[in-house]
Amino acid sequence: GENVEQHPSTLSVQEGDSAVIKCTYSDSASNYFPWYKQELGKRPQLIIDIRSNVGEKKDQRIAVTLNKTAKHFSLHITETQPEDSAVYFCAASKFGFGNEKLTFGTGTRLTIIP
Amino acid sequence: GAVVSQHPSWVICKSGTSVKIECRSLDFQATTMFWYRQFPKQSLMLMATSNEGSKATYEQGVEKDKFLINHASLTLSTLTVTSAHPEDSSFYICSARDRRGADLAEAFFGQGTRLTVV
Repeated sequence: GENVEQHPSTLSVQEGDSAVIKCTYSDSASNYFPWYKQELGKRPQLIIDIRSNVGEKKDQRIAVTLNKTAKHFSLHITETQPEDSAVYFCAASKFGFGNEKLTFGTGTRLTIIP
Repeated sequence: GAVVSQHPSWVICKSGTSVKIECRSLDFQATTMFWYRQFPKQSLMLMATSNEGSKATYEQGVEKDKFLINHASLTLSTLTVTSAHPEDSSFYICSARDRRGADLAEAFFGQGTRLTVV
């Protein structure tokens, strides 16, 4: 089955600087890669996603890049703010193949230092 | 986006008793729902895929007789933790996809249920 690895496990960034979180996946058939933000005790919230037919996607301060050949994708947050502090999870899925479960990475605890 | 509601938000039960958790899609029909378990400071681990009108598909290592899943309607899936023990204490979260939406791939999560077995 799919295996998703995520690094780093913790990340502290000065407010206003950029944060980068990286994930690798094992199944070359995976075609959908969402990123979730989870605050303590809350549900995961989708912040951005990318499909395998796209190399990069951006939404204001958040961007995701995908390298299908290397099987890795990254989350980039620019101009970080204190409210960006949370745990971030990447995930991978083979959407449209009848088995659409998400396999999650191990998570990154991002702390924005004011 | 679509709304998935989970109930209860938290529950405390005695060891040996059973607990039922409900997951509802409020404004859409979900033929498939997913149940995850999340231990403190860990990732979400898929337990099973709940299929409306048929048996659930369990992930390797998850005991189907201990974690009973019923998906009797297109808007409701239930997870029953039978004979709960302290090691079953965890955060249980369900998710579903709204296939009517513009982005069919997006999964929506319930608010989660924190189960504490004493």
